[in-house]
Amino acid sequence: EAQVTQNPRYLITVTGKKLTVTCSQNMNHEYMSWYRQDPGLGLRQIYYSMNVEVTDKGDVPEGYKVSRKEKRNFPLILESPSPNQTSLYFCASSFMIAGYNEQFFGPGTRLTVL
Amino acid sequence: EDQVTQSPEALRLQEGESSSLNCSYTVSGLRGLFWYRQDPGKGPEFLFTLYSAGEEKEKERLKATLTKKESFLHITAPKPEDSATYLCAGYNYGQNFVFGPGTRLSVLP
Repeated sequence: EAQVTQNPRYLITVTGKKLTVTCSQNMNHEYMSWYRQDPGLGLRQIYYSMNVEVTDKGDVPEGYKVSRKEKRNFPLILESPSPNQTSLYFCASSFMIAGYNEQFFGPGTRLTVL
Repeated sequence: EDQVTQSPEALRLQEGESSSLNCSYTVSGLRGLFWYRQDPGKGPEFLFTLYSAGEEKEKERLKATLTKKESFLHITAPKPEDSATYLCAGYNYGQNFVFGPGTRLSVLP
C-alpha cells in the first residue's frame, strides 16, 4: 500500500530534550516536506527536500533541522524543543513532475513540549 | 510574500444546499493550485490540482475552478459525509507550498 508513515504519532517531552520524528514513504517520491499545523494558522511549511541531500527552508524553519540521506526517509529533528513548538506535525511527499505533484500526507505527529 | 486566504472560515449547510468556498492567492510564479480535504485528526487528502486560469475539475459533488486571483470549490447538493475542513494551497516556482487556513464545512442532515 502506497503510504507516508510517521513515528511517533504522539509525543510528550520537556523543554530542551532533543527529539526526532521519523518520516518514510514507499512511493519513490523525490519531494518530501514537513509542516506544522496550528489552530487559526493552517499548515505552515517547515522544510522541504527536492531529492537526496537537497533540503531547503520553508516558512517556519527556526528551531528545526532535517536531513535527507535516503530517498524514502526525511526525519525532523528538534535539537532543543521549546513549548512554542507544541503542534501537530505532518510529513508529505510527492513526485516533482508537473501534473503528478499532488502531495500525500502522513497521519500526523502530535507533539507537546512542557 | 506569497499568501493564500480562504473564506468563509466556517460554513454550515443543510444537506442538499449547494454553496461555494473561496480561495484567494498571491503566489509568485504559481505552478499549481491544490485543494485538499482534511478530516479531524487526519492528514490532508488530495482532491484537485489546477494549473491555469479557466481550468475546471470535478469529482462527485465537488467542482474546482481557477481564475488569475482566486479558486472556488463548488459543492453541489452536499451530504453529511462532505463535512470536513477544505484547504487550498499554492505551489510556487521556489518549489514550496503555501497553504490557506482552511474552511470548516459542516453539512447537517
